[in-house]
Amino acid sequence: GEDVEQSLFLSVREGDSSVINCTYTDSSSTYLYWYKQEPGAGLQLLTYIFSNMDMKQDQRLTVLLNKKDKHLSLRIADTQTGDSAIYFCAETHSPPGITDKLIFGTGTRLQVFP
Amino acid sequence: EAGVTQFPSHSVIEKGQTVTLRCDPISGHDNLYWYRRVMGKEIKFLLHFVKESKQDESGMPNNRFLAERTGGTYSTLKVQPAELEDSGVYFCASSHPQGTGETNEKLFFGSGTQLSVL
Repeated sequence: GEDVEQSLFLSVREGDSSVINCTYTDSSSTYLYWYKQEPGAGLQLLTYIFSNMDMKQDQRLTVLLNKKDKHLSLRIADTQTGDSAIYFCAETHSPPGITDKLIFGTGTRLQVFP
Repeated sequence: EAGVTQFPSHSVIEKGQTVTLRCDPISGHDNLYWYRRVMGKEIKFLLHFVKESKQDESGMPNNRFLAERTGGTYSTLKVQPAELEDSGVYFCASSHPQGTGETNEKLFFGSGTQLSVL
């Protein structure tokens, strides 16, 4: 079956880089996503990557995809206290425009300390 | 523009009781989704409405869960009778009908309902 795994916790010092990792099992995944959940808030889409890409950069965020190993990572440069949140990796293999049914990971709680 | 709203934000009930969660999607969004996160675990898909029709309910855990979307506007998710393992955060999300073939970057989530069954 489909499975997405993440480590549960990550603690980093303010100003350092954070790297959150995710592995998935479904080789037919077409899109992979990173969502952020701040306390008391809903899920916010941070960035996404198509499965035919290796890397995507968006300001402080860098997404790396290793399709062979089914490994996805999110790097946050110059991590700030406002980045403290839970980060969810998600994937879908459904054709675009058909459904937004996502397979999520367990979430990684990022704690940034001064 | 108002986002996806969910009510209540928190609910504490006893095992065996009934609870109804409500989701108001963004106006004009035909697609409505329910997801659930059990404590410390992954967020799991429950079901998908397109307007008032259930497009995919493959994630519904059992027949104690009933989702409705009469009129294709807001949706309710009723749990009857609630069990301890139903505790978790229930998320609702909505999106506009997609005709561009793009990703789900237009999928908007509500802040969730924290359900605690004691």
